[in-house]
Amino acid sequence: GAGVSQSPRYKVAKRGQDVALRCDPISGHVSLFWYQQALGQGPEFLTYFQNEAQLDKSGLPSDRFFAERPEGSVSTLKIQRTQQEDSAVYLCASSLDSISYEQYFGPGTRLTVT
Amino acid sequence: DAKTTQPPSMDCAEGRAANLPCNHSTISGNEYVYWYRQIHSQGPQYIIHGLKNNETNEMASLIITEDRKSSTLILPHATLRDTAVYYCIVRANKANQAGTALIFGKGTTLSVSS
Repeated sequence: GAGVSQSPRYKVAKRGQDVALRCDPISGHVSLFWYQQALGQGPEFLTYFQNEAQLDKSGLPSDRFFAERPEGSVSTLKIQRTQQEDSAVYLCASSLDSISYEQYFGPGTRLTVT
Repeated sequence: DAKTTQPPSMDCAEGRAANLPCNHSTISGNEYVYWYRQIHSQGPQYIIHGLKNNETNEMASLIITEDRKSSTLILPHATLRDTAVYYCIVRANKANQAGTALIFGKGTTLSVSS
């Protein structure tokens, strides 16, 4: 079956532009996570959804970052007025429910802000 | 979640067993040990997890010490495709609560050579 997909795979934005990154989780998965991975580092948690409810957004680095999952399936991570420090790989993961031990990750979107 | 300590890098010859250590001396009684790996340009992939008993699946074995302060991931017959960053993570399973995200460190870069 299909895994987690993300689009676009690569995005180049000029500083100050807004970007939107899409995540299509595995069908039926309740939980959805966004992570940010800087070069040479492990992924860092950004935000978590259970169905359409955003239960934890403590990892979002600033109010320029916004995530939504309006119908409890597809999610979008939006970054407004991008800065160079936003350059990273943005990973989406889904799991069957909130306690499932296995999170399935997408391939990520590599964002480069110039 | 408790922190983990892993060596930054390890080498292994193809066909030999790869033994990846992890220290988690402050692990709590309800925290599980998880292992994920990340192959270059891909999202992390779940490998195995355990609480206190040793575990084995088709990918690997997990050996947890009796005091649970450390563990070892064993890839019994490493192949070139096992070259990746391996992350050891401790995480409590909390039903219906936020904060079930994975906390990644820098992991161990395993290089398998022929």
